Order: sequence, then structure tokens, then C-alpha cells
Amino acid sequence: AQKITQTQPGMFVQEKEAVTLDCTYDTSDPSYGLFWYKQPSSGEMIFLIYQGSYDQQNATEGRYSLNFQKARKSANLVISASQLGDSAMYFCAMREGRHFGNEKLTFGTGTRLTIIP
Amino acid sequence: DAGVIQSPRHEVTEMGQEVTLRCKPISGHDYLFWYRQTMMRGLELLIYFNNNVPIDDSGMPEDRFSAKMPNASFSTLKIQPSEPRDSAVYFCASSARTGSNQPQHFGDGTRLSIL
Repeated sequence: AQKITQTQPGMFVQEKEAVTLDCTYDTSDPSYGLFWYKQPSSGEMIFLIYQGSYDQQNATEGRYSLNFQKARKSANLVISASQLGDSAMYFCAMREGRHFGNEKLTFGTGTRLTIIP
Repeated sequence: DAGVIQSPRHEVTEMGQEVTLRCKPISGHDYLFWYRQTMMRGLELLIYFNNNVPIDDSGMPEDRFSAKMPNASFSTLKIQPSEPRDSAVYFCASSARTGSNQPQHFGDGTRLSIL
């Protein structure tokens, strides 16, 4: 089974609208962390936001927020007031466990977001 | 502060040649990761180090691939002999020691083409 599932291969959104990128995950470990990365066409991987499994509140970072629904095992990224520069691939990733040795990140297949002017 | 530095940015070489990719992690980071990104397989973890010691190399595809970290500020990923199917973008990433919330910071990647 896929550990991280991103069901939207591509999305087109009008500039200034909000956009939600879906991510569901699969783990039996009660301790885990979820990360979102942005990969523009230039190729670099940029860390956006983190949500821990024990965090009581949804993470926010500027225009990025995470809609964390633990029971549903979903961690959707919300981008408010989208801009042309938000056009990129977006990857959801998970790290399971917090003890030494579990530093691996498992990545989803990504969603290509295109912002339309 | 300087981020993760990878070299070269692009490498084109012929099948059978040895390829060496280089990485300088962020100063003070204890973990270093090597990833490979392809259209078919997405982003795959190849190997990672903690305090210069390889911890998990289960993602290394075969014996043609090797990675070393001789000191805290330098790592190499070597492919010998190279094959066309090794063509991919190879990323190096590093992260700080403490806290499960520490993100991995990626370099700009090396785009490798094996002809």
C-alpha cells in the first residue's frame, strides 16, 4: 500500500483564489510528521510546512496552512490567495516515528499546480 | 547562511564511465541524505548518514552505487560503471539533529544524463 497518496496529478487554479492540495497517508505508528515541499520548474525542493501527529493545532506558515484531519489520515495543503509564483509541483512527505533511525521521508507522487492569470 | 551545495549541476557522460556527485551539507546538520528523482519512480531515498556514518542504504539500487561521507562537510555518491537507466536528478539533503519536526533541506540537485 502507498504510504503517501496524492490523488491530484494536476490542478489549474485562477490567480488569487485559494487552492487545496490533497494528501492522505498510511501509518500504524502513533508518532509521525508530515511535510510539504514545493518544486518549481527550476528543480529545487523547497520546504513549506510541517505538521506533527501530536500537534493540537493545524500548522500555518504565511499563506500556507495544513488542514490536518488525523482520523481521516489526511494532511491537505491550503494555499490562500494564490500567486503566479505558486505554479510548481507540490510533494507531501511523511516521517514515521521519532526515535533514532527513523529519519526516512517517504514522498508522494506530487501534484502539479498551475496558476492561471 | 549557505544551503546545501551540490556539484556539478549537470553531468553528461557516456555509459560505462565513472560518475561522482558531490555534496556539502548545511553546517551543523548531522544528517545527510541522497535521493534520486525520475519520472517513473518519483523521489527515492538512496542512503542516509548520521554523523558521517551510513545508517540506511537499503535504497541503493545495486553495487554500482556507493556513497561516502569522509567528514561532516562533504559527501560523495559514486556510480561505477554508469548506465543509461541511471539518468535522473540526484538530490542531496541535510537536516539538524534534534526534533522530529526538523525538515530536510535540499540542494539544487545534479541532473545526470548517461548516453
